[in-house]
Amino acid sequence: GEDVEQSLFLSVREGDSSVINCTYTDSSSTYLYWYKQEPGAGLQLLTYIFSNMDMKQDQRLTVLLNKKDKHLSLRIADTQTGDSAIYFCAEKWNRDDKIIFGKGTRLHILP
Amino acid sequence: GAVVSQHPSWVICKSGTSVKIECRSLDFQATTMFWYRQFPKQSLMLMATSNEGSKATYEQGVEKDKFLINHASLTLSTLTVTSAHPEDSSFYICSAREGPYSYEQYFGPGTRLTVT
Repeated sequence: GEDVEQSLFLSVREGDSSVINCTYTDSSSTYLYWYKQEPGAGLQLLTYIFSNMDMKQDQRLTVLLNKKDKHLSLRIADTQTGDSAIYFCAEKWNRDDKIIFGKGTRLHILP
Repeated sequence: GAVVSQHPSWVICKSGTSVKIECRSLDFQATTMFWYRQFPKQSLMLMATSNEGSKATYEQGVEKDKFLINHASLTLSTLTVTSAHPEDSSFYICSAREGPYSYEQYFGPGTRLTVT
């Protein structure tokens, strides 16, 4: 399909790991991104992965890429209250250089 | 990191008036700027792509006469919502890219437009 798909809501206990999943659309997409949006704010690039990689780790963040299934995931280790936000999966289309966003996953942290 | 600012951060205008939103790249030159619209609990919808010194390219379904985009310099792009109506109320976000091969777009903080 033409939509980047991700679940809309995830609830996690503080200190646990959060895993946000995404299915993207274009197998030739060059870059895949995770953005974070806090209430009333713009988007902050959290991390990205180039399409020839299958994993990238950056401190508490781990990105896994399965190109065959066009599946991207973001794992946040030791989830903190400050991680509460909306997380957008996005892909950069190879054919016209656009970045296409999913609808965002709202991460809620339980005490 | 690179910073993109937007002004104003929020604006209320009356139906039928026009409102201009500015997007500035503060510490880099942006060859390309993008304008997005975000509805509550929705994703970002790309409205148009603008390259410095040339006309903006609008996405299908976006009225170019209603949403006027100007990218007159490498650090400034403006979006003017003309003859605004309540259905134009939304969160408008711009982003900027430093060069054609840059993987990253830097996003502004957004402008919330409310049309009464």
